[in-house]
Amino acid sequence: QVQLVQSGAEVKKPGASVRVSCRASGYTFTNFDITWVRQATGQGLELVGWMSPKSGHTGYAQNFRGRVTMTRNTTTSTAYMDLSSLKSEDTAVYYCTRGLTGQQLVLVYWGQGTLVTVSS
Amino acid sequence: EIVMTQSPATLSVSPGERATLSCRASQSVGVNLAWYQQKPGQAPRLLIYGASTRATDIPARFSGSGSGTAFTLTISSLQSEDFAVYYCQQYNTWPALSFGGGTKVEIK
Repeated sequence: QVQLVQSGAEVKKPGASVRVSCRASGYTFTNFDITWVRQATGQGLELVGWMSPKSGHTGYAQNFRGRVTMTRNTTTSTAYMDLSSLKSEDTAVYYCTRGLTGQQLVLVYWGQGTLVTVSS
Repeated sequence: EIVMTQSPATLSVSPGERATLSCRASQSVGVNLAWYQQKPGQAPRLLIYGASTRATDIPARFSGSGSGTAFTLTISSLQSEDFAVYYCQQYNTWPALSFGGGTKVEIK
């Protein structure tokens, strides 16, 4: 079965960077884009960006351009999201997701989420 | 950017009753609209895509309708496990998907 397993919770200071990983299993990693979504505590869902594991092409939401980098390791079927210059407002749960066959932006599979806390 | 607006923010419903949730888009998204359910401490779960197609293993009491800018999620007879937050999401402008602010369905 399809699984997306994310790395554990992180606590960072303002200005620092964080890396969240997402290991995929149960399907061919390079056949589906990985989309990252975040959710601040008690708030709604916000697109961070997406990456094609096949080509490495990425697209980032405007709010994150210049601060986020998405990469992958196709050997280990792992996607990575790096977020730099962290602010307290970046405190949130970050999810990696995968879409339906033929509908990449219909997010049918979700990782368990990674809580990133930014605090001095 | 397409802005998605959900109403109401909170819906109080008794078990067994019908719940109707609304979602509006700031411009047409065709039928490129999905609905998700989220329970506390869990990741969202896909319920509906293509505005009206139920995802795998989603009970028939969940139905979606609409096109263009106005959409509805209906839960025909609320069960205890249906009390949760529901989000709509448009995916018409690839890859810039966007979500509504959510509707919390609570027990009346």
